[in-house]
Amino acid sequence: KNQVEQSPQSLIILEGKNCTLQCNYTVSPFSNLRWYKQDTGRGPVSLTIMTFSENTKSNGRYTATLDADTKQSSLHITASQLSDSASYICVVSDSGTYKYIFGTGTRLKVLA
Amino acid sequence: NAGVMQNPRHLVRRRGQEARLRCSPMKGHSHVYWYRQLPEEGLKFMVYLQKENIIDESGMPKERFSAEFPKEGPSILRIQQVVRGDSAAYFCASSQNQDGGEQYFGPGTRLTVT
Repeated sequence: KNQVEQSPQSLIILEGKNCTLQCNYTVSPFSNLRWYKQDTGRGPVSLTIMTFSENTKSNGRYTATLDADTKQSSLHITASQLSDSASYICVVSDSGTYKYIFGTGTRLKVLA
Repeated sequence: NAGVMQNPRHLVRRRGQEARLRCSPMKGHSHVYWYRQLPEEGLKFMVYLQKENIIDESGMPKERFSAEFPKEGPSILRIQQVVRGDSAAYFCASSQNQDGGEQYFGPGTRLTVT
């Protein structure tokens, strides 16, 4: 069964600190993996997208890594800001399809 | 270039009523996807439509739910005779093409059934 699992479920950090969020997936065959940010009451917004041949992708203070062999991905947030408070969702799609498989997300709270 | 638009943003219905959710895709996008997010769960695929065609409705409950994307106007997700378990956030996404094309999400409609 295609699944995407994320950890931790929630995380609280102080402003300026770094954090790393984890994603494990069992989707096969694998096409690409995306990380989304979802603010409360809003739709998901794409942060990064990686294909199976990519190991790392950065977008400003966000850096995603992918290990296609172990089927694991991480999202590292550097120098966190209050506006980073949101849910971060790992999304995997299998080859050539439009069906996104969503993780349940990690709720990040950044405190001043 | 306006993003994906959904309305209403919040909808309250009593059990047994009908709910109609609207989605206007991004300009130039002809592919629309509907997702449902139950409390504390991830988004789940419901249906994929192109103009005037339902391509894949495998994620949509067989009864009470229907979707359309007419030649003119927004895509509509219709839920008849709503029950409390239909309370959720419903997200629409659109893309320019199908094969792995980036999907852009709307802000969602939060349906509450009382």
